[in-house]
Amino acid sequence: KAGVTQTPRYLIKTRGQQVTLSCSPISGHRSVSWYQQTPGQGLQFLFEYFSETQRNKGNFPGRFSGRQFSNSRSEMNVSTLELGDSALYLCASSRTSDSYEQYFGPGTRLTVT
Amino acid sequence: KQEVTQIPAALSVPEGENLVLNCSFTDSAIYNLQWFRQDPGKGLTSLLLIQSSQREQTSGRLNASLDKSSGRSTLYIAASQPGDSATYLCAVSAPPNFGNEKLTFGTGTRLTIIP
Repeated sequence: KAGVTQTPRYLIKTRGQQVTLSCSPISGHRSVSWYQQTPGQGLQFLFEYFSETQRNKGNFPGRFSGRQFSNSRSEMNVSTLELGDSALYLCASSRTSDSYEQYFGPGTRLTVT
Repeated sequence: KQEVTQIPAALSVPEGENLVLNCSFTDSAIYNLQWFRQDPGKGLTSLLLIQSSQREQTSGRLNASLDKSSGRSTLYIAASQPGDSATYLCAVSAPPNFGNEKLTFGTGTRLTIIP
């Protein structure tokens, strides 16, 4: 059974640009959560999608958004990038929204210059 | 707001020793607690999940305990090996439909096993 995949694995962008990251969950999993990991703030929850609907949202500005498609694949978008957005972005999938047994992908390393 | 702390931030021990990693949380109204390991530059691997009604979980050389009333969890690693070197993170979850955070993570303990 394939694990959670994230593309791209590495990305370099310039301040002010926007970026889209993709996450494909484990087959049969319908919930996808996104997290940001930085050395200063650690791992922080961004949002969760289940059945194409945002179920939960962390304390991030509106520049961070996401969506989920009917095949459960999810994308997150960051607009007007800032230097502080440089981070490892992790997504995790679980079978349902109430299932806390999450499986994490390898992450996308975003560097903003 | 739930806060999760892990002490120490870094730990180095000789191979073969038993060790304990600590995790504390401020709000005891948790749904479950999980321990993860993260290798450099990689994602998280779930090690153990303890439901709020449980006291401990074991998997191989790993044993995790949970004391909700005191807001503490420990991860015990027996007979440590160099392959155990990684960052260990604990995370707590609120009950479903309670609060916005899916998982609240601790700050992590970077473990180095010296051959």
